[in-house]
Amino acid sequence: GAGVSQSPSNKVTEKGKDVELRCDPISGHTALYWYRQSLGQGLEFLIYFQGNSAPDKSGLPSDRFSAERTGGSVSTLTIQRTQQEDSAVYLCASSLGHTASRRKNTEAFFGQGTRLTVV
Amino acid sequence: GENVEQHPSTLSVQEGDSAVIKCTYSDSASNYFPWYKQELGKRPQLIIDIRSNVGEKKDQRIAVTLNKTAKHFSLHITETQPEDSAVYFCAAPGGGTSYGKLTFGQGTILTVHP
Repeated sequence: GAGVSQSPSNKVTEKGKDVELRCDPISGHTALYWYRQSLGQGLEFLIYFQGNSAPDKSGLPSDRFSAERTGGSVSTLTIQRTQQEDSAVYLCASSLGHTASRRKNTEAFFGQGTRLTVV
Repeated sequence: GENVEQHPSTLSVQEGDSAVIKCTYSDSASNYFPWYKQELGKRPQLIIDIRSNVGEKKDQRIAVTLNKTAKHFSLHITETQPEDSAVYFCAAPGGGTSYGKLTFGQGTILTVHP
């Protein structure tokens, strides 16, 4: 594919509603990452997938947040019972993988992000 | 897990001057150190990276240096131009079961004044 694709690009939701954010990684990329970026802030790690498994979920802020990846490709990030503090840009990135022997595998390519606003 | 600290948080320079941004990391198993540039409203994009088997890498006006003993690495931009204005992020992957996960610094807002 052309690059990492995220949808929707913008989402406005009411407090308490559930939302689903989608990430389509670059074809062949086995590693997939979700980050959150609040206005003017850094990149906060949420979760990392290698294939379909998630070896590191340590960044998920609460049990309202969950993510899955099926078929080693598309991933969805679900936020249940959204709160105003969930408002942020959610960025997805993918890379070829993290084997030490292949240098370029570790470059992560970012999607354009989903701007989530909880009102 | 990996912890990455980045300084300064803001940096203002005159066009033509040099800019230096520094990062420290905590996990000695980290062996890959990328730098990303994020222009306003756009996605972060890789501008340069370095692996732990080299101490310096250059690409035109940008260079990255790595000191594994001290666990710090720096981005150097020479002859800065207004289009260099952006937020710059460093990152490190850590090791162990989280190998591959990139932990980012808090970012540096670089402003280049014409």
